[in-house]
Amino acid sequence: EVQLVESGGGLVQPGGSLRLSCAASGFTFSSYWMHWVRQAPGKGLVWVSRINSDGSSTSYADSVKGRFTISRDNAKNTLYLQMNSLRAEDTAVYYCATRIAARLYWGQGTLVTVSS
Amino acid sequence: QSVLTQPPSVSGAPGQRVTISCTGSSSNIGAGYDVHWYQQLPGTAPKLLIYGNSNRPSGVPDRFSGSKSGTSASLAITGLQAEDEADYYCQSYDSSLSGPWVFGGGTKLTVL
Repeated sequence: EVQLVESGGGLVQPGGSLRLSCAASGFTFSSYWMHWVRQAPGKGLVWVSRINSDGSSTSYADSVKGRFTISRDNAKNTLYLQMNSLRAEDTAVYYCATRIAARLYWGQGTLVTVSS
Repeated sequence: QSVLTQPPSVSGAPGQRVTISCTGSSSNIGAGYDVHWYQQLPGTAPKLLIYGNSNRPSGVPDRFSGSKSGTSASLAITGLQAEDEADYYCQSYDSSLSGPWVFGGGTKLTVL
């Protein structure tokens, strides 16, 4: 069974940093591209970033470019999102997700709150 | 402003049929990319309802169905039940600078 479990969320002050993790199991993690998607309170889903299977290629939404870094450790079956220079508008639930054989799989999300 | 356009709300009485539209463009749905649909209950993660335009994951009732034509897609729910009251999102892929995954703004379904 495919499982994605996010962790690392919490309360952080504006300008601060946080690293999210996504532990994957039930599939060959190193074979699939991975994504981060976020959802601000009361708002819709927004794509944040993606990384290819071996970590050599990444892309970001304009709103986080230069502040967030996506990475992965295929030996640990874990995806990361390093978030720096956090702003109030980054407050959201962050989900990791992947597509396997045309089907999408999502984690349960981790809440990031940016507030003083 | 979401790349895919959904109606903000739809409603129906128990037992009725409702549809939710998802309109895109030539760089996403119209380019032939798959459309996926999610149901989200308050405080929970999105749950996959339809993938690959019209496929249901195991466990999803056949009351839910999806279709796609041209630059649009639709989610149909028949035999509406009280527990169907939720937010629904469509998702596709995009070849422009919008980002590889694009979403609709969500539709609130109210069961009257």
